[in-house]
Amino acid sequence: GIQVEQSPPDLILQEGANSTLRCNFSDSVNNLQWFHQNPWGQLINLFYIPSGTKQNGRLSATTVATERYSLLYISSSQTTDSGVYFCAVSTSGYALNFGKGTSLLVTP
Amino acid sequence: NAGVMQNPRHLVRRRGQEARLRCSPMKGHSHVYWYRQLPEEGLKFMVYLQKENIIDESGMPKERFSAEFPKEGPSILRIQQVVRGDSAAYFCASSPPEGPYGYTFGSGTRLTVV
Repeated sequence: GIQVEQSPPDLILQEGANSTLRCNFSDSVNNLQWFHQNPWGQLINLFYIPSGTKQNGRLSATTVATERYSLLYISSSQTTDSGVYFCAVSTSGYALNFGKGTSLLVTP
Repeated sequence: NAGVMQNPRHLVRRRGQEARLRCSPMKGHSHVYWYRQLPEEGLKFMVYLQKENIIDESGMPKERFSAEFPKEGPSILRIQQVVRGDSAAYFCASSPPEGPYGYTFGSGTRLTVV
């Protein structure tokens, strides 16, 4: 099956800092989504982005499908950004394969 | 506009009992997906359903697990004769009729088998 690798596995930031999370995948995909799992376990959809660039507030994402990677940018991080960020991809369109995630801790 | 509703939030079952997990998709969503999150394995796809149809159950264990999404009512994930290894967080997601363009996940059901 398709392999999804996320880096870095862990990240500690001070409030206000910027960060870039990376997702590499091993095959062509027709579905790519980024999720944030907060400390209470809730999974929040951040972006549906099989290709191109999108922005939502302090977050933005870019997927370069031809090179099989996606980047999630977090600017001016806040403590509420803490949690685990997952990249998930699919070749079927619907059955998402999740990476192991990047665990982010933002300190005051 | 309520999101994806899962219940119960926490479920404790003794080994050998049955567990029933419920999921009501977002209003207007007709596609339901179940995922399981195990500490060492991460999030894994289990099954994809539309009303009265199982579209893909390739991620479901072959025995003891079943899922349905009836014409009326919530989607049900059923685990018979639970074992300790079934302890996990089970998440349901839904997407609109146009397709899987941006899942909305429920809050999950944490199943503990004692």
